[in-house]
Amino acid sequence: RKEVEQDPGPFNVPEGATVAFNCTYSNSASQSFFWYRQDCRKEPKLLMSVYSSGNEDGRFTAQLNRASQYISLLIRDSKLSDSATYLCVLLTGGGNKLTFGTGTQLKVEL
Amino acid sequence: SAVISQKPSRDICQRGTSLTIQCQVDSQVTMMFWYRQQPGQSLTLIATANQGSEATYESGFVIDKFPISRPNLTFSTLTVSNMSPEDSSIYLCSAGGGMGDTQYFGPGTRLTVL
Repeated sequence: RKEVEQDPGPFNVPEGATVAFNCTYSNSASQSFFWYRQDCRKEPKLLMSVYSSGNEDGRFTAQLNRASQYISLLIRDSKLSDSATYLCVLLTGGGNKLTFGTGTQLKVEL
Repeated sequence: SAVISQKPSRDICQRGTSLTIQCQVDSQVTMMFWYRQQPGQSLTLIATANQGSEATYESGFVIDKFPISRPNLTFSTLTVSNMSPEDSSIYLCSAGGGMGDTQYFGPGTRLTVL
């Protein structure tokens, strides 16, 4: 079983739609959780951290369920510029090692 | 957030040669890392670059193939040695402040081995 599993997509959605991505992880000792965004031929960039209490940043909401070892990202009112690959990322190994999921590709269309 | 630059941004190399990639951070950071992203795949950690001591390599990566230097808190190099076409990939440097801190990535070095 992979340490971090994501649906690879692609998710093709119309502009303005709400889309949700899920991620499951196998290492219960994982300490911190993040969503990164990677545009085509670019480096990953931090989108947001994920907390058990849930956190929201504008149109983006992230949620962590430690009991189920499950992380989610919700994007509301999607824009064309949201088209990218979204990477579920865990911090493990004593707090320094990032483990990446394979990413979920999102395509927002007119 | 840290600003990270890498050189070269891309290179095309012949089989059997070596390439050294440089990573420069605009501020002192505790941790620096090197990742590889093969075509169509996600990132895989190669090693943690330790300042003043040998790098810590992940399973499947060895010092002879990927020697790493970190002479100070803002700079690191990764060498891809005795390259083969299977080494064609994007190599990314990242930096973070330490335990639990966010990591920021350099723009990557796109390597093609012929």
